[in-house]
Formats: sequence, structure tokens, C-alpha cells
Amino acid sequence: SQTIHQWPATLVQPVGSPLSLECTVEGTSNPNLYWYRQAAGRGLQLLFYSVGIGQISSEVPQNLSASRPQDRQFILSSKKLLLSDSGFYLCAWDTGTANTGELFFGEGSRLTVL
Amino acid sequence: AQSVTQLDSHVSVSEGTPVLLRCNYSSSYSPSLFWYVQHPNKGLQLLLKYTSAATLVKGINGFEAEFKKSETSFHLTKPSAHMSDAAEYFCVVSDRPSGGSYIPTFGRGTSLIVHP
Repeated sequence: SQTIHQWPATLVQPVGSPLSLECTVEGTSNPNLYWYRQAAGRGLQLLFYSVGIGQISSEVPQNLSASRPQDRQFILSSKKLLLSDSGFYLCAWDTGTANTGELFFGEGSRLTVL
Repeated sequence: AQSVTQLDSHVSVSEGTPVLLRCNYSSSYSPSLFWYVQHPNKGLQLLLKYTSAATLVKGINGFEAEFKKSETSFHLTKPSAHMSDAAEYFCVVSDRPSGGSYIPTFGRGTSLIVHP
């Protein structure tokens, strides 16, 4: 069966420090991968999605970047965090070119920037 | 372009009473529609989905939704609320322009509050 792992679950970082959140999917090949952010009391904001290795689409210009070094690995990064980067980050995947629109989510990473 | 509107940011019900969470969508194609539930500090879990089959869709935990194309709606209902239903609910529309991959669009969410 397919599983998705996302880590770390909780992170407290000072302003100006770097960030790396990792997500891996097991049990499937060629998935589409997504990073969403959920600010307090707000809905989900799509940050990045990827349809293949090295292929990243950015939905919102900002302080963050994403990379997909392997088929089932998706990394969210920042060189210098801002206070406004605080939030709940969710990684998700779907079945790629044969997808139906259904997403499968990780458990999320809570980032607090102080 | 596609969009989705969840008409209520908060819905408050008493335990044992019906639940109605409203969702309207727009899409230039034949969309798929989904409802997800999110408990605090957790990822999202699929409740149910509509993908052009039966318009009345049954999901987990007693929830169901009806796709009404004429009203562009996909409201979520449950006959009797349980305390464990208290959570955030997201309506999602997803279509596939030009035969490419589906890209989902999320509503802003509805917080369901259940009183004892």
C-alpha cells in the first residue's frame, strides 16, 4: 500500500534561519507531489506542485523554494525564514498522469518562526 | 478556470441534529468534486468524492453529498452529528483542462462545531 511520510512534525526556528521540510512517498511511481501551507484560521494555499523529477511549478512567489531530487521525494526549503512563514505545511501526492483529482496527505509539519 | 466557495466559515450544531455544509463550485470542464476532513494538527482525510458516476455520493462516518450540476453545488450532509465530527471540512473541485493532470482547488474550509 502507499504511504506518505513528512518530517519534521514540529519545528521552531528563528527569523533568518534556513528551512528544510522533507516528504517521501512509498508504494507508487511517478506521482504528482504538492506542498500546501495552512496559516492559522485560513484555508489551504498551494505553494508548489511537481509532475516529475526536477519539474517544479510555483503558485505563489515568495520566500520558499521546492525541489524534487528523486521521483518520490519532495523538499520545501528557505534560505532565510520570515515571521510570515509560520504555519502548518502539508505535503500531498496523487497518482500522476492517471490521477482523478484525489489527493493523499501527510500528517503535516507545524513551523513556528520566532 | 475553476473555483470553489464554501458558504459558511463556521457551522454550529447540537449533537444528534443534522449537519449541512455548503459548497458551490465553478468549472469550465466536467469536474471531480471532493470533501476532506481535517482534525486539529492532522493531515486531511478524504470523506467522499464525485467523479461523474452517481450524483448522490456516500462517504465515511455517515456523510453524504449530492452533486447538482444545475445549481453548481456539492453540499455535505449528515443526518445526526456526533461529537467526533467536530473538525475542519474542505470542499475541493478538480478538473483537467486539455487532457492533462487534474489540479485541485480548495475551498477556504468550514469549521464544524458540535455542542453536547
